[in-house]
Amino acid sequence: EPEVTQTPSHQVTQMGQEVILRCVPISNHLYFYWYRQILGQKVEFLVSFYNNEISEKSEIFDDQFSVERPDGSNFTLKIRSTKLEDSAMYFCASQMSRQGYGYTFGSGTRLTVV
Amino acid sequence: AQRVTQPEKLLSVFKGAPVELKCNYSYSGSPELFWYVQYSRQRLQLLLRHISRESIKGFTADLNKGETSFHLKKPFAQEEDSAMYYCALIDGGSQGNLIFGKGTKLSVKP
Repeated sequence: EPEVTQTPSHQVTQMGQEVILRCVPISNHLYFYWYRQILGQKVEFLVSFYNNEISEKSEIFDDQFSVERPDGSNFTLKIRSTKLEDSAMYFCASQMSRQGYGYTFGSGTRLTVV
Repeated sequence: AQRVTQPEKLLSVFKGAPVELKCNYSYSGSPELFWYVQYSRQRLQLLLRHISRESIKGFTADLNKGETSFHLKKPFAQEEDSAMYYCALIDGGSQGNLIFGKGTKLSVKP
């Protein structure tokens, strides 16, 4: 069964550093997403991406965040200057349509900002 | 505002006992609702979607529009059902963004 792959599984970074979280969505999927889960809290939507541009973003997704699909397979989330409160699990997801029926999540990247 | 509420953080039952994980939602219009499961250290996996009215691993969930609920039920819990369970709905008008509840940790004891 096809999977969404995320790397790395765990990243530790110093406050103020830039991090890039990588995702390889399922190849024939068209809609891509990033979600975040701070420890002990619920999974929150960050951004959706379709047709090579951001479709929607939440209030969390401020100017420190950016997404890219540089080569047609990878889908990256960049945090320019990390803060302590960026520590969380970051999940990538993709689906073929926007209906929600074929959502596939990656296993997540645990980001720890120290 | 669209919202998903899971009132129980933790639900602990014995093997063979019935399970009901509660989910209430706030949504104007016809919601599209899902249950996701996350086993220890694994990814979020779709368990059920209300539109298909299916039963997966013995779990069922019925949409009750009058009570704005989508509770997840299983008549006889198994130890392997122990996991985090998240109720979610599609954000109306979005590109398929999901709004999640806070999740309920189900612990099934032997």
